[in-house]
Amino acid sequence: RKEVEQDPGPFNVPEGATVAFNCTYSNSASQSFFWYRQDCRKEPKLLMSVYSSGNEDGRFTAQLNRASQYISLLIRDSKLSDSATYLCVVNVRENAGNMLTFGGGTRLMVKP
Amino acid sequence: ETGVTQTPRHLVMGMTNKKSLKCEQHLGHNAMYWYKQSAKKPLELMFVYNFKEQTENNSVPSRFSPECPNSSHLFLHLHTLQPEDSALYLCASSPLTTGNTIYFGEGSWLTVV
Repeated sequence: RKEVEQDPGPFNVPEGATVAFNCTYSNSASQSFFWYRQDCRKEPKLLMSVYSSGNEDGRFTAQLNRASQYISLLIRDSKLSDSATYLCVVNVRENAGNMLTFGGGTRLMVKP
Repeated sequence: ETGVTQTPRHLVMGMTNKKSLKCEQHLGHNAMYWYKQSAKKPLELMFVYNFKEQTENNSVPSRFSPECPNSSHLFLHLHTLQPEDSALYLCASSPLTTGNTIYFGEGSWLTVV
């Protein structure tokens, strides 16, 4: 079983749509969770951290469900510029510092 | 804008060549990382350095040899690579405090011919 699993997509949505991605992780001791965004042929960049109580940043909302070991990302009012691959990232070995494990990514394509 | 710079951005090398990738971070971080990203595969952690000391070698073949002379610089020495080693190699850095995110360089695109 993969440590961090995501649906690879692609998710094809029209501008203005709401889209949600889920991610599951296998290590119940995981402590820190993030969503990164990666544009084609570019490096991953932090989109947002995911907090236990859920958090929002503009059109983006992240949720964490520890009991079910999944993380979600909701994007409202999709823009063309949101087209990218979204990486779910989990810190699975807290004592060793930042040993981040990446999911394979979910590709989003927003169409006019 | 990026606080982590990598050179070269693109590299083509033969299987018998020796080359090196360089990474420098200007963020005052104490941990540095090498990741490999192959087509259609998740990012794979290769090496981790904390305060110049290697703390993780994720079963990487010896044809990849990392070097960390100080907390700001990280190298990946390449020797006798295989075509399947062609990938994007990403350097990253972070503070040592747990729970912090890591910051990536723009990556070095490596093609082995």
